Amino acid sequence: EDQVTQSPEALRLQEGESSSLNCSYTVSGLRGLFWYRQDPGKGPEFLFTLYSAGEEKEKERLKATLTKKESFLHITAPKPEDSATYLCAVRGASGYSTLTFGKGTMLLVSP
Amino acid sequence: GAVVSQHPSWVICKSGTSVKIECRSLDFQATTMFWYRQFPKQSLMLMATSNEGSKATYEQGVEKDKFLINHASLTLSTLTVTSAHPEDSSFYICSARGPYNRGQQETQYFGPGTRLLVL
Repeated sequence: EDQVTQSPEALRLQEGESSSLNCSYTVSGLRGLFWYRQDPGKGPEFLFTLYSAGEEKEKERLKATLTKKESFLHITAPKPEDSATYLCAVRGASGYSTLTFGKGTMLLVSP
Repeated sequence: GAVVSQHPSWVICKSGTSVKIECRSLDFQATTMFWYRQFPKQSLMLMATSNEGSKATYEQGVEKDKFLINHASLTLSTLTVTSAHPEDSSFYICSARGPYNRGQQETQYFGPGTRLLVL
C-alpha cells in the first residue's frame, strides 16, 4: 500500500524566511510524485510533477526535489501570498489510476 | 491550460433532496475523472474513479446508490448525491487527468470544489 507522510503539519514563517517542506513516501514503482497548493475553500492547484530521483523543478519561489524516499518543497524568501496548504501525492505502479495524498503542510507567512 | 470547472460552487438543500454537481474539463479531453470529498482540515478522500463511457469504480465504503456518477463525455462528469442528509454535507472536488504529455504520466488537475450543506 502506497503511503505519504508530510511534515511539519504546520509551519509559520516570517516574510523572507526560507524553509523546506518534507514529503516522505513509500510506493511500489513510483510513477510520479505531485505537489499541489490548496487555498482555503478551493480545489488543489497543480505545482509540480517529479518522476525520478535527482529530478528538480522550479517555479518562482518554489523548488521541488526528489530522492528515492522523499521529496522536498523549498520555499525561498516567501511572501504572505505563499500562505496555503501544500499537498504531496504519489502514483504508484499498483494504483495506476489513483493518487495517494499526504495530509498536507499548512504554511502561514507573516509580513 | 488544463482548466477544470465545477458547478455549482456551493449549494444548500433540504434533507431528502438530490443534488447534482457538474465537472468539466474546459480545454482538454479527460478520459478519466475523479471525485473527492474533503472534510475540514483533512486531506482529500477519493470517492470514485470514472472513465468515459463506462461505470465508475467506487472506493471501499462509498455507497454507489447514494453517489451516482455519470461520465457521459470526454469533458463532462456529474456527481449526484441522492436523498441527501446532513452527514453528506462536505466539500466535493472533482479532478480530471490529462492532457497526456509524451513520455510522461498524465497529471491530475482539480476543479475549484463544491460546498454542499444539507439542512
